[in-house]
Amino acid sequence: GAGVSQSPSNKVTEKGKDVELRCDPISGHTALYWYRQSLGQGLEFLIYFQGNSAPDKSGLPSDRFSAERTGGSVSTLTIQRTQQEDSAVYLCASSPPGLNNYNEQFFGPGTRLTVL
Amino acid sequence: AQSVTQLDSHVSVSEGTPVLLRCNYSSSYSPSLFWYVQHPNKGLQLLLKYTSAATLVKGINGFEAEFKKSETSFHLTKPSAHMSDAAEYFCVVTKNTGGFKTIFGAGTRLFVKA
Repeated sequence: GAGVSQSPSNKVTEKGKDVELRCDPISGHTALYWYRQSLGQGLEFLIYFQGNSAPDKSGLPSDRFSAERTGGSVSTLTIQRTQQEDSAVYLCASSPPGLNNYNEQFFGPGTRLTVL
Repeated sequence: AQSVTQLDSHVSVSEGTPVLLRCNYSSSYSPSLFWYVQHPNKGLQLLLKYTSAATLVKGINGFEAEFKKSETSFHLTKPSAHMSDAAEYFCVVTKNTGGFKTIFGAGTRLFVKA
């Protein structure tokens, strides 16, 4: 079946503009995660959704970052007034119902964001 | 607080020799631990996971890891490296109390020489 998809695959924007990144999880997966991977660094956890709710938003780096999930499916990550330090690959993952501690996360290919 | 430390930023081995990628964690309770692999220009893939059922965990492609609570370690090993093992490897711990978080280590890049 289809895996996690993300769009766009690449996004180049100018400093100060807003961007929206989209994630389509695997059908039936209730949990959805957003991460940021900066050049040469590991993955930074941003936010996690269980259904449409985000129990923990403390990983979002600033109030310029927000995320929502509708219908227990698609999620969008919005970055307002982008800064050059926001340049990174943004990864989305989803996992099936069950104890989220133990579940494998299935990752999408990522969106590479470049802020000029 | 939780953290994950991958002790080597890169490891280089010859094809056919053993692989050891080291990971130490800190956690105030029994953690769930994972190893993921990221091949160049490909997405992250789960290698194996520890969820308290057995301390020695076998994963895909001949990899395995042993959970050692006394050493707070979860090192990844493989008896014989293959060229296709060259990739970035991430040790991961998840937390599901007082909010859910996934914490990735900084990664270890594995180079395999012919």
